[in-house]
Amino acid sequence: DQQVKQNSPSLSVQEGRISILNCDYTNSMFDYFLWYKKYPAEGPTFLISISSIKDKNEDGRFTVFLNKSAKHLSLHIVPSQPGDSAVYFCAATFSGTYKYIFGTGTRLKVLA
Amino acid sequence: GAGVSQSPRYKVAKRGQDVALRCDPISGHVSLFWYQQALGQGPEFLTYFQNEAQLDKSGLPSDRFFAERPEGSVSTLKIQRTQQEDSAVYLCASSLAWGVSTDTQYFGPGTRLTVL
Repeated sequence: DQQVKQNSPSLSVQEGRISILNCDYTNSMFDYFLWYKKYPAEGPTFLISISSIKDKNEDGRFTVFLNKSAKHLSLHIVPSQPGDSAVYFCAATFSGTYKYIFGTGTRLKVLA
Repeated sequence: GAGVSQSPRYKVAKRGQDVALRCDPISGHVSLFWYQQALGQGPEFLTYFQNEAQLDKSGLPSDRFFAERPEGSVSTLKIQRTQQEDSAVYLCASSLAWGVSTDTQYFGPGTRLTVL
């Protein structure tokens, strides 16, 4: 039972354009969400997070949007750069726990 | 070092061998986590330590898996009598506080275990 789903295994975007990575979840108890970026042969690196009391969080070129009614979140990267090419994982958790539940990842390729 | 380090980075074992994977968390971090990442999947939780206490081992797939953190810093994940299905990347993460949901987990580079 996959509680966190990233239905797009891969995405290609032209440099300078917007990248939109999507994530859906099924457990309504989740109240904190994170995005991690992973380069080959490296561990996941924390990118940005959002609490369920917000619907948007922004950090530089990265913005995460949360739609609780749809149980959906998305990561927007604007403008996309070749160095953003990596696998992006969505993760979810809820108050009172420390376990992260990860999606299967989306491989982003930004074309120069 | 500034980040989480793991060793070895790569390990090849013959089926039935025992292996030990090491994790050095960020200095001062109270919480330590082990995750298993199979090919094409996201990381899956294995176990959690708060200092030297193993508070949750619900994700360990079998009793062949054992983890310890005796002095509350370095941790070792041991797999006995390895099987082919144990082949995966084993990730260690640490966080500053006592493992609350909003306390960011910082990951090491992982150990890629291949069981032949």
